[in-house]
Amino acid sequence: GESVGLHLPTLSVQEGDNSIINCAYSNSASDYFIWYKQESGKGPQFIIDIRSNMDKRQGQRVTVLLNKTVKHLSLQIAATQPGDSAVYFCAENIRVRGNTGKLIFGQGTTLQVKP
Amino acid sequence: KAGVTQTPRYLIKTRGQQVTLSCSPISGHRSVSWYQQTPGQGLQFLFEYFSETQRNKGNFPGRFSGRQFSNSRSEMNVSTLELGDSALYLCASSIGRTNEKLFFGSGTQLSVL
Repeated sequence: GESVGLHLPTLSVQEGDNSIINCAYSNSASDYFIWYKQESGKGPQFIIDIRSNMDKRQGQRVTVLLNKTVKHLSLQIAATQPGDSAVYFCAENIRVRGNTGKLIFGQGTTLQVKP
Repeated sequence: KAGVTQTPRYLIKTRGQQVTLSCSPISGHRSVSWYQQTPGQGLQFLFEYFSETQRNKGNFPGRFSGRQFSNSRSEMNVSTLELGDSALYLCASSIGRTNEKLFFGSGTQLSVL
């Protein structure tokens, strides 16, 4: 079925450490993946995306890794800061027809950064 | 550049009423999508509009509808409200290609009493 899942509902890390948030997806037809960050009272904020023809993409302090063999996606945050505390969602785009698709979100992982 | 703007920010309605939510996308963005977010179900796709046409639709009952205007602004309507419709309704916009770099608004928090 269509589902995107996260391995852990809550991740607690020490400030300055690296964080790794994992996500498993089920649809082999997914062609595009996105990570979002959502802070309390706000809408999801785009962090980084990756197409299915790539296996790694880097941004500022963040890296997304895609392993299509095991249908696994991860978000790595370097030198985690208190401002990184939020709920993180992965999402996969399942192409429906032509250039359209449906974005399926995971349940989210809460990242807590300890000072 | 202004972000995605949603109004109103909070809304309280009673069962049986209807509600209309508004979304102004980022300037230049032609695709608008709507999502429902609840603690139990997470983020669920409602529908997507592009150039005033509904391009995709999620698995929600017909009480949920939407439209897009020529200036890309969008509205969604929920008729005959039920308690279970209480949720954060999020609007997102993108330049054109479906779901690429979707930018979300802060949402409308709807409470149905």
